[in-house]
Amino acid sequence: AQKVTQAQTEISVVEKEDVTLDCVYETRDTTYYLFWYKQPPSGELVFLIRRNSFDEQNEISGRYSWNFQKSTSSFNFTITASQVVDSAVYFCALSEPNTGNQFYFGTGTSLTVIP
Amino acid sequence: DTAVSQTPKYLVTQMGNDKSIKCEQNLGHDTMYWYKQDSKKFLKIMFSYNNKELIINETVPNRFSPKSPDKAHLNLHINSLELGDSAVYFCASSQGGLKRTEAFFGQGTRLTVV
Repeated sequence: AQKVTQAQTEISVVEKEDVTLDCVYETRDTTYYLFWYKQPPSGELVFLIRRNSFDEQNEISGRYSWNFQKSTSSFNFTITASQVVDSAVYFCALSEPNTGNQFYFGTGTSLTVIP
Repeated sequence: DTAVSQTPKYLVTQMGNDKSIKCEQNLGHDTMYWYKQDSKKFLKIMFSYNNKELIINETVPNRFSPKSPDKAHLNLHINSLELGDSAVYFCASSQGGLKRTEAFFGQGTRLTVV
């Protein structure tokens, strides 16, 4: 079973629109970690955020914000006032301490911001 | 200083050849990984080493053999390369335990088998 589900395969928005990328995870552990990564067209994997399971506080960093809700096992990512440079593939990931520190990645959401 | 470095960045080779990809991390992490990213961008774990010990060995053909000479290095050797091995291979490292970190990735190695 897929531990991390990113149901949105591709999203296109017009520049300056807000966009939310969904991430739903599955785990039986009480302690776990969630992450978002960005992969621009250049190909590198850029770390964006880490969230511990015991910290449900939402976070905002500039135009980026993350909504962590344990009740729905979701860790959604919102980009406000999108820019062309936000065009990339975004990955959500889960790590469980009891599975050898492995990172389970979702299938990614390809975001295209149209100028 | 590059945290996780892997070489080469590009690798083009013929079917049947043997090749290696090297990876080094200077972060002092205890865990290193190899991930394969296919043409659909799916990131699949191949191997994970913790303190030089193999922890995760997913369903990968035994033509792929990881080697970890020390905590800072995890190399990937591939024998008898096949067309289907063409992909981008990412090395990564992280710290486990109470000081859990995110995965730090290398720049990736784009392997093309012709």
